[in-house]
Amino acid sequence: QVQLQESGPGLVKSSETLSLTCAVSGGSITNDNWWSWVRQSPGKGLEWIGEIHPIRGTNYNPSLKSRVTISQDKSKNQFSLKLDSVTAADTAVYYCTKNAAWCLDYWGRGTLVTVSS
Amino acid sequence: EIVLTQSPGTLSLSPGERATLSCRASQSLANKYLAWYQQRPGQAPRLLIYGASSRATGIPDRFSGSGSGTDFTLTISRLEPDDFAVYYCQQYGGSLLYTFGQGTRLEIK
Repeated sequence: QVQLQESGPGLVKSSETLSLTCAVSGGSITNDNWWSWVRQSPGKGLEWIGEIHPIRGTNYNPSLKSRVTISQDKSKNQFSLKLDSVTAADTAVYYCTKNAAWCLDYWGRGTLVTVSS
Repeated sequence: EIVLTQSPGTLSLSPGERATLSCRASQSLANKYLAWYQQRPGQAPRLLIYGASSRATGIPDRFSGSGSGTDFTLTISRLEPDDFAVYYCQQYGGSLLYTFGQGTRLEIK
């Protein structure tokens, strides 16, 4: 069974870059599969951020596209999220997920990121 | 962008009762693009139903999904204490790819 674990700083200063990593176990990120980042804040509910595939590349939420980069490290079997120029509105719990048939079938436990001024 | 509207916002029921949760899409969806999740306090969402009516691995048959077009339903036939949680529907498609409803909170009456 696939397991995902998010890691990264829990506190980021406003205008700086949020960086998170998702370590995958029980499966390889090089398989023919998409992997996503999703966030959840009280104000906006669940929000899909973007996804990555080992061959097909990336897709991003249009509202975040200018600030988001999702990348992968195949040697470490992990993928990462970078979100530039953060504000208080980016405070949320961030989840990494494995994509399935038009849904998200495995989720990490989530990590809270707070943006401070 | 397709908008999903869930109703009711909060549903108060007792264990053993039947729960019916609604998800309405602003545009017609192919059934395969509609999923349901359960989120318990302090936990990540858990996939319950995909393709509008297929149960995910390990999900008990008390949970069922139905619907088509713009109207979809999640039914929990006999509520157990662990079922009291927040439920989200999710659709796939368009430029945003994955969008979620705002959630229905199922609480103990």
